[in-house]
Amino acid sequence: SQQGEEDPQALSIQEGENATMNCSYKTSINNLQWYRQNSGRGLVHLILIRSNEREKHSGRLRVTLDTSKKSSSLLITASRAADTASYFCATEPGTGGFKTIFGAGTRLFVKA
Amino acid sequence: ETGVTQSPTHLIKTRGQQVTLRCSSQSGHNTVSWYQQALGQGPQFIFQYYREEENGRGNFPPRFSGLQFPNYSSELNVNALELDDSALYLCASSLGLAGSTDTQYFGPGTRLTVL
Repeated sequence: SQQGEEDPQALSIQEGENATMNCSYKTSINNLQWYRQNSGRGLVHLILIRSNEREKHSGRLRVTLDTSKKSSSLLITASRAADTASYFCATEPGTGGFKTIFGAGTRLFVKA
Repeated sequence: ETGVTQSPTHLIKTRGQQVTLRCSSQSGHNTVSWYQQALGQGPQFIFQYYREEENGRGNFPPRFSGLQFPNYSSELNVNALELDDSALYLCASSLGLAGSTDTQYFGPGTRLTVL
């Protein structure tokens, strides 16, 4: 079963617009990470936010974490056609031994 | 480029056969994790190895097994292949134990098709 659930499942926007993707999870976590995947290839790590952090920035990316609501959001500002990809959140539960749990992903399509 | 390589890129097997997938981690990375990604789904954690010992396991049957070697290479073995094993298999390496907030570096994956 997957702990993280991304919303929306798919998103289509124009170049230059902002894209927001949301992730919800079920159990306590050590950290939450966002990854990008192009066309069924390997995943690329984008950003990690720890459970005691509320917001983090990296270039055009902004991630927020609300542990009380067990949710996170990824904002991509001024999107580009090259941002077209699938985006996944991944969590490491705080208990029950090590594992990384991915959601089903949001498929982002940025139109030029 | 993450410095993590996988072989082969694609593989076709028939039901009941056995398969070995290989991964070469970044030098110095003591941890390797394996994931199964079905089409249109997120990766599912299979197991993790830390310094040649299994450190964690997801909800996969024992016919999924692994090995990690001192030279930063690792293998995923799947016995008695089933049609549902068709997927992209990803390995990821990191410096140490996850939970220590180490970033995982993913390989490009092996696409396995079971007929």
